[in-house]
Amino acid sequence: GDSVTQMEGPVTLSEEAFLTINCTYTATGYPSLFWYVQYPGEGLQLLLKATKADDKGSNKGFEATYRKETTSFHLEKGSVQVSDSAVYFCALLYNDMRFGAGTRLTVKP
Amino acid sequence: DVKVTQSSRYLVKRTGEKVFLECVQDMDHENMFWYRQDPGLGLRLIYFSYDVKMKEKGDIPEGYSVSREKKERFSLILESASTNQTSMYLCASSPRTGWEQYFGPGTRLTVT
Repeated sequence: GDSVTQMEGPVTLSEEAFLTINCTYTATGYPSLFWYVQYPGEGLQLLLKATKADDKGSNKGFEATYRKETTSFHLEKGSVQVSDSAVYFCALLYNDMRFGAGTRLTVKP
Repeated sequence: DVKVTQSSRYLVKRTGEKVFLECVQDMDHENMFWYRQDPGLGLRLIYFSYDVKMKEKGDIPEGYSVSREKKERFSLILESASTNQTSMYLCASSPRTGWEQYFGPGTRLTVT
């Protein structure tokens, strides 16, 4: 079935460091891809999305590009802040929504 | 501002108790979902509903049931709580033709 695999955490970075969180997917068709973020004590909220190959989603300095050839949707940010500390979930939507296991990011000042 | 609310942020119940988790959305969404979130496993779908009085099993429905008597409210029921149901429970909603799911803050349930 459809599934998402994302890099295990936790990830700890210093402020202003470069962030990459890897995400790969398996799907029978061409899904839409998403990154959700969960801040401490809150529910998930949509961070960015891409609905077709080569689309780039972006929001709040985060970016991810839908790569059909490598079935990937890696999340990147050039300079992280302490406020980016959260759990990040990669997800796909084809027949239904599938979430990855989540990657906890901690950014230290 | 879109809103999904859940009745409790934290809940402690004893083994064998019947547990009700309530979710209300104010966006007039047709679709509603219940997930459980466990470390290393991500979100797993328990049940979902596409309309009032309609329900569909997700990936892990065993030990759970749901009720949707009104469009805005979707309840998750643990008929006889067990310790392996200790988890974070997340409710979400989405419009009928939309893809973005809006999540509530979650209920952390502990069964002792």
